Amino acid sequence: DAKTTQPNSMESNEEEPVHLPCNHSTISGTDYIHWYRQLPSQGPEYVIHGLTSNVNNRMASLAIAEDRKSSTLILHRATLRDAAVYYCILTSWGAQKLVFGQGTRLTINP
Amino acid sequence: DAGVIQSPRHEVTEMGQEVTLRCKPISGHDYLFWYRQTMMRGLELLIYFNNNVPIDDSGMPEDRFSAKMPNASFSTLKIQPSEPRDSAVYFCASSTGTGSLQPQHFGDGTRLSIL
Repeated sequence: DAKTTQPNSMESNEEEPVHLPCNHSTISGTDYIHWYRQLPSQGPEYVIHGLTSNVNNRMASLAIAEDRKSSTLILHRATLRDAAVYYCILTSWGAQKLVFGQGTRLTINP
Repeated sequence: DAGVIQSPRHEVTEMGQEVTLRCKPISGHDYLFWYRQTMMRGLELLIYFNNNVPIDDSGMPEDRFSAKMPNASFSTLKIQPSEPRDSAVYFCASSTGTGSLQPQHFGDGTRLSIL
């Protein structure tokens, strides 16, 4: 599986947008980009995924670079509940495994 | 809708004892995954099933670990005999299809402490 690189931690303020970066320079053409998050004392939670085009859902937006070597998860208006570890994961088509890295620990200040 | 249900939520037992963790996946999901999370190693996939059949158990640490899925609504992860290094949070997840398209839904985990 191609590797992803994320900052260990980030900090933001409540009600402000948050941009969480992920580098995946060895991504292959069939790799999907997934984002999960893990709130304290809970299991991971799916956030969003994409292949080439930018994606939006009720939780977040995913911006994918044109060369697909990086992507950014965008939380448009952070709340305290968004404080979590965010994981950027690549999976190839047909693969079943999610290989979790260390993720980015996001802190939201009131 | 009921999510993935794991039991027990917490388990404390002594080294050498048998431990059984249980998981009820979301109804209609045909994939079931067992993960383990520790501070040192993060989240690791142990084994996953498709339609009750084990597909990949390459993440199972050793023969002391075994997993079964006797039917579509129940799975167990067993450790016998348990050791202190097995202390971790164990998560079960389920999904409807391939990891490329379908999200995995996780339970709240079982926090296991082996004394």
